[in-house]
Amino acid sequence: SQQGEEDPQALSIQEGENATMNCSYKTSINNLQWYRQNSGRGLVHLILIRSNEREKHSGRLRVTLDTSKKSSSLLITASRAADTASYFCATDPYQGAQKLVFGQGTRLTINP
Amino acid sequence: NAGVMQNPRHLVRRRGQEARLRCSPVKGHSHVYWYRQLPEEGLKFMVYLQKENIIDESGMPKERFSAEFPKEGPSILRIQQVVRGDSAAYFCASSPSTVSGNTIYFGEGSWLTVV
Repeated sequence: SQQGEEDPQALSIQEGENATMNCSYKTSINNLQWYRQNSGRGLVHLILIRSNEREKHSGRLRVTLDTSKKSSSLLITASRAADTASYFCATDPYQGAQKLVFGQGTRLTINP
Repeated sequence: NAGVMQNPRHLVRRRGQEARLRCSPVKGHSHVYWYRQLPEEGLKFMVYLQKENIIDESGMPKERFSAEFPKEGPSILRIQQVVRGDSAAYFCASSPSTVSGNTIYFGEGSWLTVV
């Protein structure tokens, strides 16, 4: 079964606006990570939030985690054209391993 | 991407041929993972290896797929008698340990097209 589910599947906004993507998961986790993937490229790690954390910031990125709702959100503020990519959340529900479970991703398009 | 090297980047194979994908982890990383990404989908775990050992292959198809990580040289993902459904991007990742919370580093992927 799919552990991570991103919402929305696709998002198109104007440059300068904020973009919010959500991720829900089913089982308990140790951590949740967000990755970015440009078309035809590999994954770039953005941010990791641990299960005992509620919010984390990195530059223009803000991630929240609500373990009671089994959900996370990724907020990109002041979006830029270069932020156009697919964004994936990944959870590690298995103890002591790096067997990540990815969602299907949100395709974000920033219009200039 | 901290140095995970995959090759080839793009590979075209006819149905029934073999595909060999290679992965050199970040220097000093002894844990390697292979993931598969079908078009318009997220990545799916295939196999986790340490040097000379397969630790977890629960995501590998039972037939035609195999993986190795020899003492010397890169990790190899081998797909025998490829079919059209094998067309996908195959990503390798590595980490220095399996402690939960360690970032794993992904390569740029090998994009297999079966014609």
